[in-house]
Amino acid sequence: QQQVKQSPQSLIVQKGGISIINCAYENTAFDYFPWYQQFPGKGPALLIAIRPDVSEKKEGRFTISFNKSAKQFSLHIMDSQPGDSATYFCAASMPGAGGTSYGKLTFGQGTILTVHP
Amino acid sequence: DSGVTQTPKHLITATGQRVTLRCSPRSGDLSVYWYQQSLDQGLQFLIQYYNGEERAKGNILERFSAQQFPDLHSELNLSSLELGDSALYFCASSVGPGNTEAFFGQGTRLTVV
Repeated sequence: QQQVKQSPQSLIVQKGGISIINCAYENTAFDYFPWYQQFPGKGPALLIAIRPDVSEKKEGRFTISFNKSAKQFSLHIMDSQPGDSATYFCAASMPGAGGTSYGKLTFGQGTILTVHP
Repeated sequence: DSGVTQTPKHLITATGQRVTLRCSPRSGDLSVYWYQQSLDQGLQFLIQYYNGEERAKGNILERFSAQQFPDLHSELNLSSLELGDSALYFCASSVGPGNTEAFFGQGTRLTVV
């Protein structure tokens, strides 16, 4: 019930190409779906997030597509650049009791993205 | 820079020992979360504190404990360390109350030898 499954485990894309990472969740109580980017030796950094009342959210070259009925969401990176090479994690969270937040995250296993120049 | 500060960055210790990891949240953040990142388990939520009180527990071992102090910094105590406890330990913080996103620190890499 708490799992978030992410695929693929690794992805190699040419510069300028589109990177697509997919996630599926089971618990319908989740209502906040962030994507985190992690570079080696660094902590995860929030990239973009979506709530299930919208089907798509775009920020620059990054787009989240959300399919509530299928319980799936994906990250699209347009015009992928070598600087995008990192590990990407999808995550899911649900509202806590009064005073708590969406920081209690259930993470996918991560996707190592390599963008070749 | 997320504004979340973790110390130390690296820690090497022997099996059976006890260590303390420290986290200073972003200014104004009341919630602190601890996560463990390992190759086999990925990123796993351990525990959450909000304004000094424990709010949620994840897959945290009984040998591990945490607390949040009045100045809102938090410490994660790991005792009777085993080789399998070697991992990256991340602290994250969020504003609270209400529902907001969390920001992660740079992590503490713990190596148990």
